[in-house]
Amino acid sequence: DGGITQSPKYLFRKEGQNVTLSCEQNLNHDAMYWYRQDPGQGLRLIYYSQIVNDFQKGDIAEGYSVSREKKESFPLTVTSAQKNPTAFYLCASSGLGTGKETQYFGPGTRLLVL
Amino acid sequence: GDSVTQMEGPVTLSEEAFLTINCTYTATGYPSLFWYVQYPGEGLQLLLKATKADDKGSNKGFEATYRKETTSFHLEKGSVQVSDSAVYFCALTYNQGGKLIFGQGTELSVKP
Repeated sequence: DGGITQSPKYLFRKEGQNVTLSCEQNLNHDAMYWYRQDPGQGLRLIYYSQIVNDFQKGDIAEGYSVSREKKESFPLTVTSAQKNPTAFYLCASSGLGTGKETQYFGPGTRLLVL
Repeated sequence: GDSVTQMEGPVTLSEEAFLTINCTYTATGYPSLFWYVQYPGEGLQLLLKATKADDKGSNKGFEATYRKETTSFHLEKGSVQVSDSAVYFCALTYNQGGKLIFGQGTELSVKP
């Protein structure tokens, strides 16, 4: 089945620790995205990538880093510089161009700080 | 800049009631419009979409029409079920692969 997978489902971070969230898609989509969701709020864009080895900052990129070494994969690292990382993180992917812009989402990773 | 505004929730309805969730947008161009649904603890699922003015998106009994003159994309369903209880997000994007701009979400609770 085609889709987007995220792992782990839950992740715990200690103070000063970097953690990496995985996102993989087998939809052959060119573009991938990371969003952050806080309770009772909409989603905010952290980073996105439209092509391998290139990515752009979203609205709240500070304290996060990404890589796009393969078309199928777009891991997100939450660094120790992110002072309030507790949130639900959602990965999405889409095609590019007219009629292909629909973004499809993974099941999410919930990050908690110990 | 572009933005999306949804009616505040929570919205509480009885089973088989009529549902309307209002969504209005401001846009500098001609975006595509979407409704997503999120069940507790899960990711977002695409519910329906419309890509140009006067298009009607529909799925699972839900409908929304892209109204350029009123900059609206209201979600409607004629008869809700308990299983429709979820958070609904209105969103817009353009076809160049940029971000989705979301409303704040509207929580729907349907009682038997």
